[in-house]
Amino acid sequence: GQNIDQPTEMTATEGAIVQINCTYQTSGFNGLFWYQQHAGEAPTFLSYNVLDGLEEKGRFSSFLSRSKGYSYLLLKELQMKDSASYLCAVIDSNYQLIWGAGTKLIIKP
Amino acid sequence: DAGITQSPRYKITETGRQVTLMCHQTWSHSYMFWYRQDLGHGLRLIYYSAAADITDKGEVPDGYVVSRSKTENFPLTLESATRSQTSVYFCASRAGTGDTGELFFGEGSRLTVL
Repeated sequence: GQNIDQPTEMTATEGAIVQINCTYQTSGFNGLFWYQQHAGEAPTFLSYNVLDGLEEKGRFSSFLSRSKGYSYLLLKELQMKDSASYLCAVIDSNYQLIWGAGTKLIIKP
Repeated sequence: DAGITQSPRYKITETGRQVTLMCHQTWSHSYMFWYRQDLGHGLRLIYYSAAADITDKGEVPDGYVVSRSKTENFPLTLESATRSQTSVYFCASRAGTGDTGELFFGEGSRLTVL
């Protein structure tokens, strides 16, 4: 079966750096998304990776290793507003989007 | 306002009743999707549509019906609601150019079935 694993919950301190990991086993790979979802709200797009390497976008960066079936989302200079769930999703060989259960990130002052 | 909107945002119903959740988008996106989100699960695809009059089943279609007579609307109907259908439902859309575009989500419809 297809599977995406993310930690259920993480805690970090305001101003610090946190790395949220995502490992996947899917039938094929056509790209990986990260979405942010604040409590009670809709998911919003953060990043898309299809090639190996690091994509940087302001305080957020996303890394992909296709050979390892692994990605991470790196958040720098954490702010209280970064408290949210972070969803990893992979596009499989049938161009279906497979979602992880999400990582709830708690930021403490 | 432009975007993707869902209604109702909150709904309480009883087992056995029919419920329709509405989804409307103003971008003329080709693809539209219905997901449900439950604690401990990732988003699960119920149905999707590649264009008007074209719909297809997702991972968890049982108990749901969709239609897409117009590009901008994609209603989801629970024909006879069950308690297991208590969930948050998200409608999403994306442009038809390529298969890897980002999804834009509606605000969600929180459904409780008593």
